[in-house]
Amino acid sequence: DIQMTQSPASLSASLGETVTIECLASEDIYSNLAWYQQKPGKSPQLLIYYANSLNDGVPSRFSGSGSGTQYSLKINSLQSEDVSIYFCQQNYDSPYTFGAGTKLELK
Amino acid sequence: EVQLVESGGGLVQPGRSLKLSCAASGFTFSDYNMAWVRQAPKKGLEWVATISYDGSSTYYRDSVKGRFTISRDNAKSTLYLQMDSLRSEDTATYYCARSYIGTTVFDYWGQGVMVTVSS
Repeated sequence: DIQMTQSPASLSASLGETVTIECLASEDIYSNLAWYQQKPGKSPQLLIYYANSLNDGVPSRFSGSGSGTQYSLKINSLQSEDVSIYFCQQNYDSPYTFGAGTKLELK
Repeated sequence: EVQLVESGGGLVQPGRSLKLSCAASGFTFSDYNMAWVRQAPKKGLEWVATISYDGSSTYYRDSVKGRFTISRDNAKSTLYLQMDSLRSEDTATYYCARSYIGTTVFDYWGQGVMVTVSS
């Protein structure tokens, strides 16, 4: 199975700050990487697919980058509604594995 | 508006069975692969199974292979998950999810249904 290692596990930032979340795959996943946002008590929502493609309706302050085994999610100008848990997921090979999540809180 | 509504969860004893349903609306159900993804309490996400748009192909994670069966009824726009020989480690919220066309990225999720396996 492809292991997805996310860092940090938790993150505290101020409104307006830029934050970056990292995801490391145990092997090359050829940009088959998605990011999801899960707000408290809600189901996950797709933010980014294929490493850097923004899903419809997602604010442009979210962006994704990376290739090979290393990927990142950047949130510019942090807003209060961005308080969530963020998960990465590889969709290159079955079983389609997720990172453990990064909990983003406001400072 | 795309909607996925799960039902059928509950408390079940180890070794027993449960069948989940997911009613889909707001899109042409028969055009999309569909999946079940679960999340144990306070834990991360775990892909469980996927079924192709026409039901001809199914895929499972190893830990549920032979115990769970994913199926669909395109006439009713409904996805199912038959869960047999349930174990305590199957306790989780189960989400129905639509696969973004041509991928195993999940672009719409249901609200989830809780399954608790306990004696």
